[in-house]
Amino acid sequence: GQQLNQSPQSMFIQEGEDVSMNCTSSSIFNTWLWYKQDPGEGPVLLIALYKAGELTSNGRLTAQFGITRKDSFLNISASIPSDVGIYFCAGQNLNYGNKLVFGAGTILRVKS
Amino acid sequence: DARVTQTPRHKVTEMGQEVTMRCQPILGHNTVFWYRQTMMQGLELLAYFRNRAPLDDSGMPKDRFSAEMPDATLATLKIQPSEPRDSAVYFCASGFTTVSYNEQFFGPGTRLTVL
Repeated sequence: GQQLNQSPQSMFIQEGEDVSMNCTSSSIFNTWLWYKQDPGEGPVLLIALYKAGELTSNGRLTAQFGITRKDSFLNISASIPSDVGIYFCAGQNLNYGNKLVFGAGTILRVKS
Repeated sequence: DARVTQTPRHKVTEMGQEVTMRCQPILGHNTVFWYRQTMMQGLELLAYFRNRAPLDDSGMPKDRFSAEMPDATLATLKIQPSEPRDSAVYFCASGFTTVSYNEQFFGPGTRLTVL
């Protein structure tokens, strides 16, 4: 089956630092999505990527769709306390319809 | 501000009881997904519908779980009988999806505890 490896599992950083996390897959994906989940809430879509090599920004967030189509990364610049949460990557392979496979998540903690 | 809504937000029940969770997708979205989130397994897709037709329920234990969309504004997930291992947060998500366009928007979830 499809699997995503997301790393790191957790990060504890100083406010103002940049953050980088990534996901890798053993199979090719056609779509990569990045979500953030706050405690007690559902995941919120941050960025969607549809083309290999695509680089997309949303404020201080930047995500890229890897050229091999087997990986994606998310960067957060100049972190602030409200960036705290769990970040998930999700991938879609067209052979499986609209199913998304989710990574295990990266827990981000920010020291202010 | 269009959002997916889910009820109830929390449910505590005893083993063997029937549980029904409801979801109102965002108006105009053609696809509805049911996910389950646990610490051990993470986010798992249980089932999804497009234009109210079930497309895939391979992630769902079919002996006790059932998912339906009686109309375009309501999706339900039912567990009968419930078991302690069903304790989890259940999310509904909706999107206007095509074969290659797949942005999914999540509701706040139903936290289920089966004693």
